[in-house]
Amino acid sequence: NAGVTQTPKFRVLKTGQSMTLLCAQDMNHEYMYWYRQDPGMGLRLIHYSVGEGTTAKGEVPDGYNVSRLKKQNFLLGLESAAPSQTSVYFCASGDTGTSVNEQFFGPGTRLTVL
Amino acid sequence: AQRVTQPEKLLSVFKGAPVELKCNYSYSGSPELFWYVQYSRQRLQLLLRHISRESIKGFTADLNKGETSFHLKKPFAQEEDSAMYYCALTTSGTYKYIFGTGTRLKVLA
Repeated sequence: NAGVTQTPKFRVLKTGQSMTLLCAQDMNHEYMYWYRQDPGMGLRLIHYSVGEGTTAKGEVPDGYNVSRLKKQNFLLGLESAAPSQTSVYFCASGDTGTSVNEQFFGPGTRLTVL
Repeated sequence: AQRVTQPEKLLSVFKGAPVELKCNYSYSGSPELFWYVQYSRQRLQLLLRHISRESIKGFTADLNKGETSFHLKKPFAQEEDSAMYYCALTTSGTYKYIFGTGTRLKVLA
């Protein structure tokens, strides 16, 4: 099992450009999450999903959109990138089955917006 | 509002010394508390959770509801313990985690 994978690993954007980050999990988890990690700020939840076709806002949703068309995939979109969105983005998945509330993380995507 | 506070950004200890990473939370109900660890160039992974009352890699953490704390402790630090540690909280019936800002532990030789 690959677990949680993220593409791309690195990306540099210019202000105003758009992009989509892809998260995929092969553990059949219901819940998926997008976080951003910034120095001194820890992990902050952007958006999350509790099942296929559902999405919900987290702590810092502005400037981002998400979609969960398939259970195994969770996409994070930036429509018009801003330098404030320079960060490391982590995807995670989880379930309340055998591992109570444990989240499994992807390797991260380092995004720089110039 | 739910909040997790990790007061130390950086904690440096010598190898063999005891280590305690502090975590305090604010939540009026019954929380579930976790410690996650991120080693250099690796992804975040679960270290331990309070409901399991387990010891992982020599680390333990006890939930103190009176002090609303979940400090992570290890009696003898090892160099391989150097990493970023995050305390996290979730509550029954929700699907969201609240993470602290993290503490970087450096174990010096």
